[in-house]
Amino acid sequence: AQSVTQPDIHITVSEGASLELRCNYSYGATPYLFWYVQSPGQGLQLLLKYFSGDTLVQGIKGFEAEFKRSQSSFNLRKPSVHWSDAAEYFCAVGSNDYKLSFGAGTTVTVRA
Amino acid sequence: KAGVTQTPRYLIKTRGQQVTLSCSPISGHRSVSWYQQTPGQGLQFLFEYFSETQRNKGNFPGRFSGRQFSNSRSEMNVSTLELGDSALYLCASSVRVGTEAFFGQGTRLTVV
Repeated sequence: AQSVTQPDIHITVSEGASLELRCNYSYGATPYLFWYVQSPGQGLQLLLKYFSGDTLVQGIKGFEAEFKRSQSSFNLRKPSVHWSDAAEYFCAVGSNDYKLSFGAGTTVTVRA
Repeated sequence: KAGVTQTPRYLIKTRGQQVTLSCSPISGHRSVSWYQQTPGQGLQFLFEYFSETQRNKGNFPGRFSGRQFSNSRSEMNVSTLELGDSALYLCASSVRVGTEAFFGQGTRLTVV
């Protein structure tokens, strides 16, 4: 079975600073990988996805993520955080014929 | 293209009652998944349907059930409501199992 670990429950970052959220997955083959963002009381919005090919993927809102097979990681980054990036972020792993598995989420607080 | 629509958005029920939540997926999507989200337990998978068949089921009691219709619309039902069922219920649709999922805004259920 596949699983996802997000080691950081909560991260606080200053506005304008860089942000990196960690995600490690467990899966035998190359998985499909996703990052989602959720604002309070809302549904999850897809930020970016990796299926195959270039290991550095660009997403919406200035986010990018890098797939590292050797480390079983798919970390999310943003060079300069805006106050509107305060939210909860979920990493997810999927594969053909098996449901998406989500991490526990990382809450990002942005301080002025 | 219309997104995933969940109805109702908010619901207040009394302990012991039952409730039915509805989800209309994106046109062309045949996979629908349901999640329960609470502050204490995070995002928990309930079940997933593909072409009217339940493909995966999470670890929830039998009071939680669901179904999918031939037009891919899905409903979930919770019988004999308990206070602990208060949560945000999220529905997500995808083209097929395991691929990128698109979420609705959720139904906020409060059991009193």
